[in-house]
Amino acid sequence: DTAVSQTPKYLVTQMGNDKSIKCEQNLGHDTMYWYKQDSKKFLKIMFSYNNKELIINETVPNRFSPKSPDKAHLNLHINSLELGDSAVYFCASSQVGGGYEQYFGPGTRLTVT
Amino acid sequence: QQQVKQSPQSLIVQKGGIPIINCAYENTAFDYFPWYQQFPGKGPALLIAIRPDVSEKKEGRFTISFNKSAKQFSLHIMDSQPGDSATYFCAASNSRSGGYNKLIFGAGTRLAVHP
Repeated sequence: DTAVSQTPKYLVTQMGNDKSIKCEQNLGHDTMYWYKQDSKKFLKIMFSYNNKELIINETVPNRFSPKSPDKAHLNLHINSLELGDSAVYFCASSQVGGGYEQYFGPGTRLTVT
Repeated sequence: QQQVKQSPQSLIVQKGGIPIINCAYENTAFDYFPWYQQFPGKGPALLIAIRPDVSEKKEGRFTISFNKSAKQFSLHIMDSQPGDSATYFCAASNSRSGGYNKLIFGAGTRLAVHP
């Protein structure tokens, strides 16, 4: 059983395009996150949602817009893609007050050409 | 501003060796210190975590040592195996900040265990 799943696994697109990455968790967690892992493997949080409400919004360009239709899903839409957006994007989830362990998805490798 | 500094960047040991990865933090409000393991093409997975009320935590072959006064913590892998070859990340968070666990990650250590 997949706990945190993401689609697609790979995404290759051209500069200027708009793309979305989807994330779903079946753990019953209240909180979901988006992380960006750059080419040097540095992991940085981008957003966090708790029960469909935006909680954490790091310094991320406005071109990135998360959307949470329900607490099991957190999607990431990126407008006007730039070369610097190329990275691996990870979705994660955790339970507030539940030990704080974050469960990560398998990642989406985005390549902007 | 890098709030969690991790070293070394890469590490090579022989099978059975004890690799040690070190992390230092700046924010004294941090009270949760996990280590994550990431294999190529996979997402990070929690390995072991510690809170500052203890100085050491052991789970199987993995041990965290914590020095609150020095604001440092480290991961030791006993009897390392080739299957331990992965990238290891330390992290820190302030679990009291509204209950939402914003993890600040170190830069990662790529470990290779040779047979």
